[in-house]
Amino acid sequence: ETGVTQTPRHLVMGMTNKKSLKCEQHLGHNAMYWYKQSAKKPLELMFVYSLEERVENNSVPSRFSPECPNSSHLFLHLHTLQPEDSALYLCASSSNAGDTQYFGPGTRLTVL
Amino acid sequence: DQQVKQNSPSLSVQEGRISILNCDYTNSMFDYFLWYKKYPAEGPTFLISISSIKDKNEDGRFTVFLNKSAKHLSLHIVPSQPGDSAVYFCAASLMYSGGGADGLTFGKGTHLIIQP
Repeated sequence: ETGVTQTPRHLVMGMTNKKSLKCEQHLGHNAMYWYKQSAKKPLELMFVYSLEERVENNSVPSRFSPECPNSSHLFLHLHTLQPEDSALYLCASSSNAGDTQYFGPGTRLTVL
Repeated sequence: DQQVKQNSPSLSVQEGRISILNCDYTNSMFDYFLWYKKYPAEGPTFLISISSIKDKNEDGRFTVFLNKSAKHLSLHIVPSQPGDSAVYFCAASLMYSGGGADGLTFGKGTHLIIQP
């Protein structure tokens, strides 16, 4: 099993849909992250969980809602998204917050 | 305001030669720097890192140099191989200062193309 997995790999949704992205890490790490990569922009950190506690990130709209039920799993719940939210969403994990992060393959999200 | 900058969107290098990718940062508090490689439709893959107490770190064909006074780091790949063609991201963090929960701050990436 590879280190960090993400499902689904591709997702197309309408603006009124509710969907969830899933991330799972098999590395025994304590910190997990969600990043967004839009075209021609750097990767943007969205959320950090360290020991299953969320570090607040006030710049992310409330239509994105993370959930970390345990140290191995991380979800990103999506509702009433906008077309400009179309991007590659990447999950990463690290031993502890700040350590080298290992990324999953990403979910390519398209919002119609 | 970008704190980590990669000013070359692309770089073309002949196979067998040295590839030099550059990165500049503005936040003098950054104390840990990383390079990632990314192929299309895949997540970034960790390549090599360096902490601010060092000025060089080497791993096989990859060497990272850090110049703290200039707030500049570079990745050297020698010799360059066709499989090195990818987008390379520079990233920085506040790992040792306790700001690690801020995650990594990334540059926009440099697309390296190795010509046969």
